[in-house]
Amino acid sequence: QVTLKESGPVLVKPTETLTLTCTVSGFSLNNARMGVTWIRQPPGKALEWLAHIFSNDEKSYRTSLKSRLTISKDTSKSQVVLTMTNMDPVDTATYYCARGIEVAGTEWFDPWGQGTLVTVSS
Amino acid sequence: SYVLTQPPSMSVAPGETAKITCGGNNIGSESVHWYQQKPGQAPVLVIYCDSDRPSGIPKRFSGSNSGNTATLTISRVEAGDEAGYYCQVWDKSPDQRVFGGGTKLTVL
Repeated sequence: QVTLKESGPVLVKPTETLTLTCTVSGFSLNNARMGVTWIRQPPGKALEWLAHIFSNDEKSYRTSLKSRLTISKDTSKSQVVLTMTNMDPVDTATYYCARGIEVAGTEWFDPWGQGTLVTVSS
Repeated sequence: SYVLTQPPSMSVAPGETAKITCGGNNIGSESVHWYQQKPGQAPVLVIYCDSDRPSGIPKRFSGSNSGNTATLTISRVEAGDEAGYYCQVWDKSPDQRVFGGGTKLTVL
């Protein structure tokens, strides 16, 4: 059974750096055609893709947030870490990690973690 | 960057058919994936690669994609189908994963 679980702070102050960890089980971060992605959802709003890391360590970032995001993985710990610098109240959201499955030039996300709500406030 | 457009909301009576659309420029040339999100829960994949169903998803859920519109069809709608639905593609240039704005389905 494949599972993902997010962990990290529930509250961060403006200008601080957010560090979130996604711990996976049931698959290896070295599996070809599989990766891990981060997605967020502000309260009452739509899903917003943030970053992705492939099994070969190739990374991609949301263009508008690229300067603030860093994604990395520790295969031995089965963990993927996302950092976001200079947090602002507009970054308040539920942050999800999900397994990405790449086949024939497309990619979908299954399953997703339960999500973690991060509030940015002083 | 690629934009996916969904109607914000729609409503349907139980037993009827819901068709949720996802518009995009020549989206028929892309592979579209659909997610269901019930209140307070994480999204769940219901359709991948336009029309494939993951195991455990009822056959009532189907998908199609042609021209500038992809469609998620839910037949014989049940109260438990009330949820938000999101479409998603992988835009290669630039390398971005893109979600639609979501459609809230209300079962009357």
